[in-house]
Amino acid sequence: SQTIHQWPATLVQPVGSPLSLECTVEGTSNPNLYWYRQAAGRGLQLLFYSIGIGQISSEVPQNLSASRPQDRQFILSSKKLLLSDSGFYLCARRSRGRDTEAFFGQGTRLTVV
Amino acid sequence: QKEVEQNSGPLSVPEGAIASLNCTYSDRVSQSFFWYRQYSGKSPELIMSIYSNGDKEDGRFTAQLNKASQYVSLLIRDSQPSDSATYLCAVLPNTGFQKLVFGTGTRLLVSP
Repeated sequence: SQTIHQWPATLVQPVGSPLSLECTVEGTSNPNLYWYRQAAGRGLQLLFYSIGIGQISSEVPQNLSASRPQDRQFILSSKKLLLSDSGFYLCARRSRGRDTEAFFGQGTRLTVV
Repeated sequence: QKEVEQNSGPLSVPEGAIASLNCTYSDRVSQSFFWYRQYSGKSPELIMSIYSNGDKEDGRFTAQLNKASQYVSLLIRDSQPSDSATYLCAVLPNTGFQKLVFGTGTRLLVSP
């Protein structure tokens, strides 16, 4: 089976602190990987997506960055968190191909204080 | 114009009724459409995908796609209180096969 691991499940960080969220995928090779953020009561905002190692597309200019050092690993980072970075961060994977579905990890709830 | 639009709701229906959830999209040549269900505090889970015009049925769920009208809907028959959740519509625009875009979701409340 194909599994997505995200950790931690919850995180409370002070403003100005760094951030590193990791997502790893099992059971599939060369997936498309995504980072989404969901603010409280809002929809899913696409932050980054990756079609391969080292290939990152950014959707929203902000103080976040993403990296894909390995085929099944996708990392979301920030050097200095803002209050507005609070939200529910979701990693998703899609298999290669046009008509393929996305599946989500369990998410990380980040609160910046 | 937003790429994917949904009425935020809440949509309230009694138990046993049909719930109808709607979604419009802006990219006329979009090819792939998905419905997800999200319970409060949880991650979205896939309900159905649809790629061709017409209806696609899976149990109590029916997805309907009309590409000419740029409209996709989800019908839930015999609604149950456990169906109460936010339903997210997602579209793969033709501008990039890899970029999956979501609507803001419609909150559904099914009362016993």
